[in-house]
Amino acid sequence: DAKTTQPPSMDCAEGRAANLPCNHSTISGNEYVYWYRQIHSQGPQYIIHGLKNNETNEMASLIITEDRKSSTLILPHATLRDTAVYYCIVRVALGGTSYGKLTFGQGTILTVHP
Amino acid sequence: EAGVAQSPRYKIIEKRQSVAFWCNPISGHATLYWYQQILGQGPKLLIQFQNNGVVDDSQLPKDRFSAERLKGVDSTLKIQPAKLEDSAVYLCASSSLRGGKGNTIYFGEGSWLTVV
Repeated sequence: DAKTTQPPSMDCAEGRAANLPCNHSTISGNEYVYWYRQIHSQGPQYIIHGLKNNETNEMASLIITEDRKSSTLILPHATLRDTAVYYCIVRVALGGTSYGKLTFGQGTILTVHP
Repeated sequence: EAGVAQSPRYKIIEKRQSVAFWCNPISGHATLYWYQQILGQGPKLLIQFQNNGVVDDSQLPKDRFSAERLKGVDSTLKIQPAKLEDSAVYLCASSSLRGGKGNTIYFGEGSWLTVV
């Protein structure tokens, strides 16, 4: 699986957009970009994933560059409850409905302050 | 929809004792995972089941760890004998075999193990 690089920590003011970058320069054509977050004392929570098009859901937006070597997770209006560790993960599609495992790195600690 | 259920939530044992963790995945999810998360690190996959068969157990320390999923639903992860370095959160997760978002992996709250 391709490896990802994320900044170890970021800060964001409450109410502002949080933009979390991820570098995955060795990504292959059959690998998806997944984002999870983990709030203290809880299990990881799925946020969003994409292949090459930008994606948006009720939680966040995912912007993937045209060459797919990097992506940005956007939380449009960060709240204090968004303080968490955010993991960017590349996951291979093996064919049919079969996918590879999620391999977690260190992630980015996002702190949202008042 | 009920999420992934795990128990116990917290466990403290002495080294060389044994411990077992139980997981009930989301209904209908064929794939079940056990992850180990040491404090300050990201989760690491220990074992992956598809129905009641093992897909990947390459990172499971088989001399002391065992896991089973006998009827393709619930699963148990056992550690015997425990070592101090086994202190971690043990996360269970599940996913369906459907494509697209149906293949998203959902995690439980985890079982916190402290070995003293």
